[in-house]
Amino acid sequence: DSGVTQTPKHLITATGQRVTLRCSPRSGDLSVYWYQQSLDQGLQFLIQYYNGEERAKGNILERFSAQQFPDLHSELNLSSLELGDSALYFCASSVGLGPNEKLFFGSGTQLSVL
Amino acid sequence: AQTVTQSQPEMSVQEAETVTLSCTYDTSESDYYLFWYKQPPSRQMILVIRQEAYKQQNATENRFSVNFQKAAKSFSLKISDSQLGDAAMYFCAYRSSYSGGSNYKLTFGKGTLLTVNP
Repeated sequence: DSGVTQTPKHLITATGQRVTLRCSPRSGDLSVYWYQQSLDQGLQFLIQYYNGEERAKGNILERFSAQQFPDLHSELNLSSLELGDSALYFCASSVGLGPNEKLFFGSGTQLSVL
Repeated sequence: AQTVTQSQPEMSVQEAETVTLSCTYDTSESDYYLFWYKQPPSRQMILVIRQEAYKQQNATENRFSVNFQKAAKSFSLKISDSQLGDAAMYFCAYRSSYSGGSNYKLTFGKGTLLTVNP
């Protein structure tokens, strides 16, 4: 167990809908990363937060947004869902920001858009 | 932008044998980190081993070792005495050491599915 909790584990929804994925980082970790894993794109970095502030953005669509709350948990909001958004969404956390920080991954949320 | 290539979509090995997974990467940077992650059927991403580019010595973690060839931009993973529990998808990943923007993100390869035969 990495200590990173993601809920829900599975999510099935329809096109056009909006969903929220939740991530609770390890105790003491200030940095949260979101990654998307799909069959065609592989593992892609979406966005990073550190202590409540957005620090880096990757290949995140405009329909997607995220935030990190004062208690350090993070939410990834996906709206106007399309079939191609079906993927495994990972959250990872680390204590700090440096390149040598070890990332701890959650078990992911499997999103299926029908 | 950095890219990571894993040219072996699938590999298989007999239990107790040794297998090597290949990874090449492209970067113009001189300082960076390289990783191998394991993703078993449980889906969780588990760090197997890490290599700092400034270290010439190859990293080793128990039965797992790497062959890091900086000039060739190659970073292979050797698994010795393979066990059934080693069966998983293995991802090679790159992380820049330079700050700013999304430089600290992990850039992953497409993965190699390792099967361990009893």
